[in-house]
Amino acid sequence: EAGVAQSPRYKIIEKRQSVAFWCNPISGHATLYWYQQILGQGPKLLIQFQNNGVVDDSQLPKDRFSAERLKGVDSTLKIQPAKLEDSAVYLCASSLGDDSPLHFGNGTRLTVT
Amino acid sequence: QQPVQSPQAVILREGEDAVINCSSSKALYSVHWYRQKHGEAPIFLMILLKGGEQKGHDKISASFNEKKQQSSLYLTASQLSYSGTYFCGTEIYGNNRLAFGKGNQVVVIP
Repeated sequence: EAGVAQSPRYKIIEKRQSVAFWCNPISGHATLYWYQQILGQGPKLLIQFQNNGVVDDSQLPKDRFSAERLKGVDSTLKIQPAKLEDSAVYLCASSLGDDSPLHFGNGTRLTVT
Repeated sequence: QQPVQSPQAVILREGEDAVINCSSSKALYSVHWYRQKHGEAPIFLMILLKGGEQKGHDKISASFNEKKQQSSLYLTASQLSYSGTYFCGTEIYGNNRLAFGKGNQVVVIP
């Protein structure tokens, strides 16, 4: 089966600019996650979708981050405006649902200068 | 509710054994283990859903002690391919958010 697809692979922007990341989960996976992984740390959940509804976005900085999952399939995460501390790898993952393993994409490495 | 992983780093020779731990301050519903190599995505190893449950993946096994609110990952007869950072993800009762620890870095040398 095809894995979780993410693009772009790398992105370099200046602070205060905006950026968007795209994720296409494994076919049939109802749950989609966006994680932020800062160098040397574990992944931190930003938002979790079940189909096209938000299950948990309590750790999403909503003043600058937004995410959507239209039609319950692929998803977009946006940062506007970016700050230096947003430099990280943004991982998308999907799963069949509760008690199922997460399948991660290769991530987007964002550098904010 | 981020779990605490220990030790932070382990260096071992090929063929040696190691144990890495993941503990929580809250009652756990499940524990996930993933391994991540540098520059790559985390790869799923196993999920433990019941207290006392033990699972294995090749020569990597894990236990889940519900009373102690912790899980341990056992690397037996380690291989060079076991090198990487191991993350545990924990789910507490009443909240199905999977929170990851900071990871255990494992380096296996010939």
